[in-house]
Amino acid sequence: AQTVTQSQPEMSVQEAETVTLSCTYDTSESDYYLFWYKQPPSRQMILVIRQEAYKQQNATENRFSVNFQKAAKSFSLKISDSQLGDAAMYFCAYGGTQGGSEKLVFGKGTKLTVNP
Amino acid sequence: DTGVSQNPRHKITKRGQNVTFRCDPISEHNRLYWYRQTLGQGPEFLTYFQNEAQLEKSRLLSDRFSAERPKGSFSTLEIQRTEQGDSAMYLCASSFPRPPWQYFGPGTRLTVT
Repeated sequence: AQTVTQSQPEMSVQEAETVTLSCTYDTSESDYYLFWYKQPPSRQMILVIRQEAYKQQNATENRFSVNFQKAAKSFSLKISDSQLGDAAMYFCAYGGTQGGSEKLVFGKGTKLTVNP
Repeated sequence: DTGVSQNPRHKITKRGQNVTFRCDPISEHNRLYWYRQTLGQGPEFLTYFQNEAQLEKSRLLSDRFSAERPKGSFSTLEIQRTEQGDSAMYLCASSFPRPPWQYFGPGTRLTVT
């Protein structure tokens, strides 16, 4: 079974600075997807960024980028120029392709605090 | 595109009662997922539909849980004889088969007293 580990329960960053959230995963599959979701307090889960395992190029979405290391099974999220609105729980998720459902397996999350 | 909607947003029920939640996916999405999220944890997969067919169920989905998706549109998740351990946020997500990016609704928070 696939597992996702987020080793940082909490992180903090100063506004306008850069922060990196860590994620590792375990799988025997060669084809899969990886995601970062943001969940603000009492608000819904938002898809921040996604990575297809067959793509070597790291995904970027505006201030958000990932460092995908397939051999190391590592998928970190870098947030540049942090803003107060970035404060949230961040979940790393794995989506497999075997069986066809691509159900997501989530880590326990990292709570990000942005200090003004 | 109005996004995934879920109703009710909050539900308080007494132990032993039955509850039903509804999820309306993004209209073009034929895949629909249910997840459960307890405090301090990431969401856990419960079940998945492609169109009206329920294709996968987690072992977390006990006999007291049932999900349907008639006509492949909205879905309902029913919990019978609720227990305090059922207290959680129930999340619904929808996607296309390709690409399988899942978009989540706001969730239904269930409290069993």
